[in-house]
Amino acid sequence: DVKVTQSSRYLVKRTGEKVFLECVQDMDHENMFWYRQDPGLGLRLIYFSYDVKMKEKGDIPEGYSVSREKKERFSLILESASTNQTSMYLCASRPQGGSGNTIYFGEGSWLTVV
Amino acid sequence: SQQGEEDPQALSIQEGENATMNCSYKTSINNLQWYRQNSGRGLVHLILIRSNEREKHSGRLRVTLDTSKKSSSLLITASRAADTASYFCATNSGNTPLVFGKGTRLSVIA
Repeated sequence: DVKVTQSSRYLVKRTGEKVFLECVQDMDHENMFWYRQDPGLGLRLIYFSYDVKMKEKGDIPEGYSVSREKKERFSLILESASTNQTSMYLCASRPQGGSGNTIYFGEGSWLTVV
Repeated sequence: SQQGEEDPQALSIQEGENATMNCSYKTSINNLQWYRQNSGRGLVHLILIRSNEREKHSGRLRVTLDTSKKSSSLLITASRAADTASYFCATNSGNTPLVFGKGTRLSVIA
């Protein structure tokens, strides 16, 4: 079974802190994604990566950056956390080929910024 | 760029009844997928239907796709309390990331 692991399930951070959300997948997938999920807004794509050291902006990249130094790991970074970044963050991966491939999600990281 | 929009936003039914959720999208697609999310958890893939398919079945799930109307429906037959979850449609074209709708919250009352 594919496993996408998000290192932190629940985090509470202070405004202005630098926050790292880590995601690791164990199926050698080329593509990885970060979404955030908010009530009434559904899932919104923050950043994605189709290969090591590659990154692309999604729909809401402002206030975030990412790092993909190794194929299995995709990190989301909040350079200076703000209260409007309180949300559930979902990491996902899929194999190369995109269309027609299932995307696999982690269990989510609940971030509260106070 | 929200592509899929599910309807209704929330649905409450009795155990044993059928549940139907609809999804509309805006642009041409390669395929459409349905995902399920239990409260506070990640999403899990349910079923994929390609743009050249009209109907697909998987267990108690039946998905239809009407590309002329840019719409899809997910039918869950003989619902169970364990089907209580949020259901999302997702679309993409080419190798683009999946774009998700806002979901339908299904409550199945025992």
